[in-house]
Amino acid sequence: DTGVSQDPRHKITKRGQNVTFRCDPISEHNRLYWYRQTLGQGPEFLTYFQNEAQLEKSRLLSDRFSAERPKGSFSTLEIQRTEQGDSAMYLCASSLGTGEEETQYFGPGTRLLVL
Amino acid sequence: DQQVKQNSPSLSVQEGRISILNCDYTNSMFDYFLWYKKYPAEGPTFLISISSIKDKNEDGRFTVFLNKSAKHLSLHIVPSQPGDSAVYFCAASVDSGGSNYKLTFGKGTLLTVNP
Repeated sequence: DTGVSQDPRHKITKRGQNVTFRCDPISEHNRLYWYRQTLGQGPEFLTYFQNEAQLEKSRLLSDRFSAERPKGSFSTLEIQRTEQGDSAMYLCASSLGTGEEETQYFGPGTRLLVL
Repeated sequence: DQQVKQNSPSLSVQEGRISILNCDYTNSMFDYFLWYKKYPAEGPTFLISISSIKDKNEDGRFTVFLNKSAKHLSLHIVPSQPGDSAVYFCAASVDSGGSNYKLTFGKGTLLTVNP
């Protein structure tokens, strides 16, 4: 049984470039979440999918951010026109989707550095 | 406004002794609480959770206590082992329409267990 996987693990980019991250959840999980963690902080919620439907977006997710989960399996998070303030660890998590009090299982994260 | 607070940035204990990590919250609507452990360069790993209808949950060396009136929870690790050295995050969520999907995290406590 494989856990949540994320690709790439590290990304260095120049300001103004676009970047895309991929998340593959645990296979039977139909809920998928994106979080962002900056230095010295806990993870902060960005968005969440139930199957292919994006059900909530945090106000942290500016217009430059877009997330998709086209077939209800893997998800992508794209950041357009990156800024230095986007430098962070981007974490993906998944859960079964059976109801309340679910445990979210996290991937290893993608560390983004914007120069 | 930090709704989940971990006021101790770090804690150091001797191997074999008890580690007690504390967490306070301000949102009385939180009804599900989780503890995660995080090693450097990895994603958070789920440890243990507790529902607001309980005041204690135990899993092996880990016990979580919830005091709703004080809006306080704690994680006890007995006995502590050097491999427990990591950052511990407290997280909380609200039941929204039958689903606890958005986790709110504290800033974490770095636990160091000395041999």
